[in-house]
Amino acid sequence: KAGVTQTPRYLIKTRGQQVTLSCSPISGHRSVSWYQQTPGQGLQFLFEYFSETQRNKGNFPGRFSGRQFSNSRSEMNVSTLELGDSALYLCASSRGTGGTEAFFGQGTRLTVV
Amino acid sequence: GENVEQHPSTLSVQEGDSAVIKCTYSDSASNYFPWYKQELGKGPQLIIDIRSNVGEKKDQRIAVTLNKTAKHFSLHITETQPEDSAVYFCAASKGSSGSARQLTFGSGTQLTVLP
Repeated sequence: KAGVTQTPRYLIKTRGQQVTLSCSPISGHRSVSWYQQTPGQGLQFLFEYFSETQRNKGNFPGRFSGRQFSNSRSEMNVSTLELGDSALYLCASSRGTGGTEAFFGQGTRLTVV
Repeated sequence: GENVEQHPSTLSVQEGDSAVIKCTYSDSASNYFPWYKQELGKGPQLIIDIRSNVGEKKDQRIAVTLNKTAKHFSLHITETQPEDSAVYFCAASKGSSGSARQLTFGSGTQLTVLP
């Protein structure tokens, strides 16, 4: 069974640009959550999507957004990039209905210069 | 919101010894507590989890205990091996049937197993 796939693995962007990251969950999983990992703040929850609807949202500015498609694949977008957005962005996949574990992808390393 | 504290931040043990990592949480409504292992350049890997209706769970060399009254849970690794060296994260969440819908993570423990 294939795991969670995130693309691209690495990305370098300039301040002010926007970026889109992609996540394909485990087959049959309907929930996708996104997390930001930085040395200073650790792992922080961004948002969760289930059946194309955002179910939960963390404490991040509106520049961070996401969406989920009918095949459960998800994208997250960061607009007007800031240096502080440099981080490892992780996607977690779960079945999404009661009592289920979350499995992470390898992440996308975003560097903003 | 939920706050999870994790200790210690670094831990070195001799191969074959046991390692214990402790976490405390603040929200008494939290009901699901997973542990993740993260190796360099990889995403977190789920190694064990426990739900609030259980006090202890074991899987080979790994065990987790939960004390709901004290709001703390611990990871125990016995007979440590060099390949156990990694960063370990605890997490907590709440939701129906203890699902991993919005995880609040601890700050991580860098475990080093010395040969």
